[in-house]
Amino acid sequence: DADVTQTPRNRITKTGKRIMLECSQTKGHDRMYWYRQDPGLGLRLIYYSFDVKDINKGEISDGYSVSRQAQAKFSLSLESAIPNQTALYFCASSGATINEQFFGPGTRLTVL
Amino acid sequence: SQQGEEDPQALSIQEGENATMNCSYKTSINNLQWYRQNSGRGLVHLILIRSNEREKHRGRLRVTLDTSKKSSSLLITASRAADTASYFCATVTNSGYSTLTFGKGTMLLVSP
Repeated sequence: DADVTQTPRNRITKTGKRIMLECSQTKGHDRMYWYRQDPGLGLRLIYYSFDVKDINKGEISDGYSVSRQAQAKFSLSLESAIPNQTALYFCASSGATINEQFFGPGTRLTVL
Repeated sequence: SQQGEEDPQALSIQEGENATMNCSYKTSINNLQWYRQNSGRGLVHLILIRSNEREKHRGRLRVTLDTSKKSSSLLITASRAADTASYFCATVTNSGYSTLTFGKGTMLLVSP
C-alpha cells in the first residue's frame, strides 16, 4: 500500500462549491504539507503542519483552509472554489528533520 | 516566491548520453534536494546534499553544490528512456521553521 494516499484522485466541480481534499499517511510522520502545481510553475506550498496542534500558512494560502484531524490525516478545503484553483494538488509528509518528503499521487481538480 | 530556478527548462537527449540540470537559489541553505516527477504523478526524492558537502553520488546520479555561487547541478549518466521525467530542486533554508521551496523544474526527454 502507498505510504501517502490522497482522495479523490480526480474531481470536477463548479464555481462556488465547497471542496475537501483528503490526505492520509502511514509513515508515522509528524509533518504534513499541501502543495499546488500549475504548469510551468513548479510546486507552491499552500499550508503545512508540523504536528497535530500546529498549522501554518504557506506561500499561497488565500482561498484555502486545512484541518489536521490526527497525526496521519491532513485535509485541504476550498470554501468556495474558483476557476483559477484548477490545478494538481499534492500532499506530502516528512520526519522532523525535513530530509525527505514523501508525496501522494496527487488530486487533479478542475473548477468550471 | 521560488527559491530555486532550474536550467534548462527542457532538455532532450538520446539514450546513453549524459544529462545535466542546474539549479540556482537565492538565500543561504541548510540542504538542497532533487526530486523526480513522472508525468502527472507524485514527486519522488532522489538525493540530498548538505550545505557543507560539495558532491554526492547515488547510482547514476551525481549532485554537486557550490554555496559560493548558490548553485547545484544534477548529472544523470548513461541516460535511459525511463529517465524521462521532470526534475526539481528544492531547498531547505537555515531558518528554524523551514520548509522545502521548489524550483520550476527541468523537463527531461530521453529518446531511445
